[in-house]
This record gives sequence, structure tokens and C-alpha cells, in this order.
Amino acid sequence: EVQLLESGGGLVQPGGSLRLSCAASGFTFSSYAMSWVRQAPGKGLEWVSTISVSGANTYYADSVKGRFTISRDNSKNTLYLQMNSLRAEDTAVYYCAKSNGGWAFGYWGQGTLVTVSS
Amino acid sequence: DIQMTQSPSSLSASVGDRVTITCRASQGISNYLAWYQQKPGKVPKFLIYAASTLQSGVPSRFSGSGSGTDFTLTISSLQPEDVATYYCQKCNSAPFTFGPGTKVDIK
Repeated sequence: EVQLLESGGGLVQPGGSLRLSCAASGFTFSSYAMSWVRQAPGKGLEWVSTISVSGANTYYADSVKGRFTISRDNSKNTLYLQMNSLRAEDTAVYYCAKSNGGWAFGYWGQGTLVTVSS
Repeated sequence: DIQMTQSPSSLSASVGDRVTITCRASQGISNYLAWYQQKPGKVPKFLIYAASTLQSGVPSRFSGSGSGTDFTLTISSLQPEDVATYYCQKCNSAPFTFGPGTKVDIK
């Protein structure tokens, strides 16, 4: 059974940093692209970032480019999102998602809440 | 970047009704479109990929169609458990933009 467990969320001040982790199990992690998607309170889904199977290729939404960095450790079956220069508008539930083999998101974690506030 | 729109933004229908949601891409994306269902307070669920292929385990009352710029998600007979917000997403290349969502509830 595919399981994705996010951690690392919490309350952070504007301008601060946070690193999210997503521990994966139940599938061959190194064979699938992985992504982060966020959802601000009461709002829709927003794609944040995607990383290829090897980590060689990364993609970012314009809203986070230059501030967030996606990475993965295939030896630890873990996906990361380093978030720097956080802003109030980054407040959201952040979901880790596994690709379906293409670029759609076949499985989602339960999410971790990031709150950026002073 | 390609923009994704959905219509309507919300709808209310009776149990058993046929419901259709439209998703439009600002440029052609072939059939690289996915649909997701998010029930209130829950994690999004993957429904359809490649515009019309049902993910395993998804009830057959759900179907998708379209290619290029215009796509539809159809629920052939609305059930109470289908109350949710439905999102389309372009899957051809980054950015993997979602549509704004369509909220479906029971009349």
C-alpha cells in the first residue's frame, strides 16, 4: 500500500525558513517523479514543485521560484521541500504527491500545515 | 504559461442527475489532462488521467472526455457521496497547473 507521510510543518515568522519532508513507502520510490502541492485555507489546489526520478530535473511554480528547493534522497525514500524567505501567502496545507507514471498525481499524503505569521 | 479554467464554479443537482463539468486550457494540451475529487476536509483523490482513463477503483459513473483545449468530467448519476470539489490539471509539461475547481453538492 502506498503511503506518503509529510512532516516539518508549523508556525514560522515572515522571512523565515522551514524544511518539509515526505517519507514514502509501499512502492519503488526511485522510479517515480514526486511533487508538492499546496492548498491555502478555503482555496483551491496549487502546484508548487516537481522533481524527476533521479532528481536531475526540477520544476517550480513562479510563485515559489528562487525561494523553494525540492530534493529527494532515493536511499531514504524521502522527498524534501526547503522553503526560504517565507511569506504570509505561503500559508497552506502542503501535500506530497506521487506521480502516476506520467505527470499526474496518483497518490497524495495527508498534508502538513505551514503557517507564516508574526 | 497555459491557463486552466473550469465551469461552472459550483453546481447543485439532485441525486440521480447527470452532471457535467467543463475544463478549458488556454492552449492545446492534447489529452494530457487529469481530474481529481476532493471531499470536504479530505485529501484529493485521483480520478482520471489522459483525459478519459479511469483510475483503478473509481466508480464507472465517472467519465472524462476531450482533447486539445476542451475537456469534460461527467457523473452519469449523481450520488450523495459525490459531494466534493472537482479539479482538472494539465499534465503535459510544467507548470502542472490546476483549474480553480467546481464545487458539486446535492439539491
